[in-house]
Amino acid sequence: DAGITQSPRHKVTETGTPVTLRCHQTENHRYMYWYRQDPGHGLRLIHYSYGVKDTDKGEVSDGYSVSRSKTEDFLLTLESATSSQTSVYFCAISGKTGNTGELFFGEGSRLTVL
Amino acid sequence: AQRVTQPEKLLSVFKGAPVELKCNYSYSGSPELFWYVQYSRQRLQLLLRHISRESIKGFTADLNKGETSFHLKKPFAQEEDSAMYYCALSTAAGNKLTFGGGTRVLVKP
Repeated sequence: DAGITQSPRHKVTETGTPVTLRCHQTENHRYMYWYRQDPGHGLRLIHYSYGVKDTDKGEVSDGYSVSRSKTEDFLLTLESATSSQTSVYFCAISGKTGNTGELFFGEGSRLTVL
Repeated sequence: AQRVTQPEKLLSVFKGAPVELKCNYSYSGSPELFWYVQYSRQRLQLLLRHISRESIKGFTADLNKGETSFHLKKPFAQEEDSAMYYCALSTAAGNKLTFGGGTRVLVKP
């Protein structure tokens, strides 16, 4: 498995509380991504990063923010969690430029917002 | 914007039977297409990509630009093929993958 870890792996929180998910990689890959996985929707891109302090929005970015202050860490923050953000969140990394090459995924973080 | 559609949410086949997972895409340029697989309790991983034109674990997929399809096929399904399969598309515009909704394959003994 690629050196990519997510934390926490499971979290239960209440509506309105802030939540931060962490993705850590040891591969020195340039590109990092946050996806959410929901039944019937597959994986949808939330935010991605193409380098330190360089991030951009994906298709479902509302309610989420990200930060990448180091190559190895990509943080996803829910400023005020809502029940619609209950999901499994996957981090992925890629080292290729241009057309995306192979993505390597973390094990996922299951978030439940009550 | 690009879009990937997997019309079947669930495919149930018997061991040894052929299996075909459908994938259709919409994108006006030249896409790069992939199939990813997620086995139970394992990470999502790349199964194959159209550009390499290879067969992985007996699976093949052909890009049909006329029909904008990238169907995944295997002539003889095995129980270990039971998994969640995602079709994905990448464009030259950025380093992002757009995934379909996924198809769960169940191979019965």
